[in-house]
Amino acid sequence: AQTVTQSQPEMSVQEAETVTLSCTYDTSESDYYLFWYKQPPSRQMILVIRQEAYKQQNATENRFSVNFQKAAKSFSLKISDSQLGDAAMYFCAYRRNTGSGTYKYIFGTGTRLKVLA
Amino acid sequence: NAGVTQTPKFQVLKTGQSMTLQCAQDMNHEYMSWYRQDPGMGLRLIHYSVGAGITDQGEVPNGYNVSRSTTEDFPLRLLSAAPSQTSVYFCASRMTDNYGYTFGSGTRLTVV
Repeated sequence: AQTVTQSQPEMSVQEAETVTLSCTYDTSESDYYLFWYKQPPSRQMILVIRQEAYKQQNATENRFSVNFQKAAKSFSLKISDSQLGDAAMYFCAYRRNTGSGTYKYIFGTGTRLKVLA
Repeated sequence: NAGVTQTPKFQVLKTGQSMTLQCAQDMNHEYMSWYRQDPGMGLRLIHYSVGAGITDQGEVPNGYNVSRSTTEDFPLRLLSAAPSQTSVYFCASRMTDNYGYTFGSGTRLTVV
């Protein structure tokens, strides 16, 4: 069964510094999608970045980038030049093929990121 | 603004009461889902729909019903509320399988 593991319940980073949030997953599929979501205190879940498994190039969205290691089944999120507004809960998610032509998403348990002024 | 609208934002129920959590999206997304979020457990899928008239169970469907009579609306019904259903509920929609979800702002439900 596919699983998503976020081993860091909480991380802290100094403002303007760089932080990396880790995510590992388990799958036997070769083609899949991975996502990082941000949940600020407002509770709204916001899509930060997505990665297609068949693409070797790591996805980047402004200050957010991923380090996708397919063989190691690792999908870490790097936040550069951290800002106070980056403080949130971050969820890693894997898109799973149900085998009936539809897909389900499996979420990790989240990493709470604190940004220190 | 386009997006996913959930109502209510907060609700307190007594054990045994029933209620419906509303969810509407105006992006013409085919796929809609309901998740619950509990501390230390991430998001767990309750029910989902791949289009109007089509629904299916997720990993924690017991105690919940859904229907999808239109593309826009996907209400979640609690049949007989139990304290174990105390949680934050998120409705989400997406365009296709290759895109991430757009989430609503959540409903915090407390069952006493």
